[in-house]
Amino acid sequence: GAGVSQSPRYKVAKRGQDVALRCDPISGHVSLFWYQQALGQGPEFLTYFQNEAQLDKSGLPSDRFFAERPEGSVSTLKIQRTQQEDSAVYLCASSLAPGANYGYTFGSGTRLTVV
Amino acid sequence: DQQVKQNSPSLSVQEGRISILNCDYTNSMFDYFLWYKKYPAEGPTFLISISSIKDKNEDGRFTVFLNKSAKHLSLHIVPSQPGDSAVYFCAASDNYGQNFVFGPGTRLSVLP
Repeated sequence: GAGVSQSPRYKVAKRGQDVALRCDPISGHVSLFWYQQALGQGPEFLTYFQNEAQLDKSGLPSDRFFAERPEGSVSTLKIQRTQQEDSAVYLCASSLAPGANYGYTFGSGTRLTVV
Repeated sequence: DQQVKQNSPSLSVQEGRISILNCDYTNSMFDYFLWYKKYPAEGPTFLISISSIKDKNEDGRFTVFLNKSAKHLSLHIVPSQPGDSAVYFCAASDNYGQNFVFGPGTRLSVLP
């Protein structure tokens, strides 16, 4: 596709439920990022992949958060035993190659609401 | 402690005038900066970037200025248009873009 596609757009989960959020980056983009954006805040870095390798997961807030990109294209962010504080918009971004001069293209995000 | 600050949550400007959005940072190791624009229910859209070796970068109506000694950057939009109304995020990286630290955003309203 022409852009970064994220699904679902909206997800309501009961507290304690596991969720999986999907990101389809732009075809051929090597770098893939996940960000978490709480209401009224800027996006906060969660994790970074270069192809299938997860090079940085320092932003994942707890061991309930897990991300994978097994074939170097589609990525899934999984949150186990969701808590209310996990409610946020989860943004995925991709770029052609490592390096800031390539910029990021963001998807529209998945809005997760934990009730 | 916020490493990237945008101290004005909102800004209103008349159409045709200049919009100036400000961003301050605390980490002197930041070497690359970006501005993103975000409309409701959409992901952020890249606007313009600047590396620490420059003090100015221009792209059409958008100019970013970097003052490294003051750890300050600003985005100028001239002339402002109603379609520029959005939330603007400043972002900074200390490893040439492997990940970015975002500010909280400034909501710009351009009034017709």
